[in-house]
Amino acid sequence: DAKTTQPTSMDCAEGRAANLPCNHSTISGNEYVYWYRQIHSQGPQYIIHGLKNNETNEMASLIITEDRKSSTLILPHATLRDTAVYYCIVRVAKGAQKLVFGQGTRLTINP
Amino acid sequence: ETGVTQTPRHLVMGMTNKKSLKCEQHLGHNAMYWYKQSAKKPLELMFVYNFKEQTENNSVPSRFSPECPNSSHLFLHLHTLQPEDSALYLCASSQDGGRSGTSYEQYFGPGTRLTVT
Repeated sequence: DAKTTQPTSMDCAEGRAANLPCNHSTISGNEYVYWYRQIHSQGPQYIIHGLKNNETNEMASLIITEDRKSSTLILPHATLRDTAVYYCIVRVAKGAQKLVFGQGTRLTINP
Repeated sequence: ETGVTQTPRHLVMGMTNKKSLKCEQHLGHNAMYWYKQSAKKPLELMFVYNFKEQTENNSVPSRFSPECPNSSHLFLHLHTLQPEDSALYLCASSQDGGRSGTSYEQYFGPGTRLTVT
C-alpha cells in the first residue's frame, strides 16, 4: 500500500470549514483514498473514500487532485465534536484488506 | 453505535491469567479484524478473518490466539501476557468485495482497554 503524509496537527475555528491535506505521491492506479477519524479512546470511524472523482457524503467532501498524488478532506462546518485524529489511508480494493494507519492529523476545533 | 460490539470494555489481568476478548458484529459482514493500539502508536493490524478463515497473521506472538467460530463472532484468547501488551484492542468488520475489486469500509467496535499487571 502507498505511503501517505499528513500534517501532525491542525486547528480550526468552530463553524468554519476544516481542510485536511494528504500527500500520496506513490499511489497506484488501483488504490483508493480512504479517510477515517478516531475520537479520543474510541474506535476509528469511517468518513469517506474515493478513487479519482471528488466525493461528498453527509459527513465530508473528498477532493482528489487530477494526478491523484494528493487529496483534501473537507469538513464544511466544523463542530467541537469533530475534534479527533484524522487518518488518510490508501489501499487497493481487493477482498478483506488490512488498513495501515499512520500517525494521522490531530485536528482541534476551537470555540 | 457502529453495529460492532466488544466485551469487556475494560480488563485488568495478571501475567499468569487467561482471559478472552469478544467481538460481535450485527452488520452481516464476512470479514473481521483485530487491531492493537498501544499508547502513542498507530493502530497495528493483528489478524484478519475472511469467511471464518484466517487470512492474515501480522507476526503476532502466540500468547494471542484468535478464534472465529462464525462470520459474526471473533474472539481473542489471551494467556501469559506481558505488561507491554497493555493496549486498546479494537475489532472491526467489513464486507468482502472478493475478486470484484469493490472496496468496502471497515466498521470498528469501541475497543477493549487491556491492562496487564
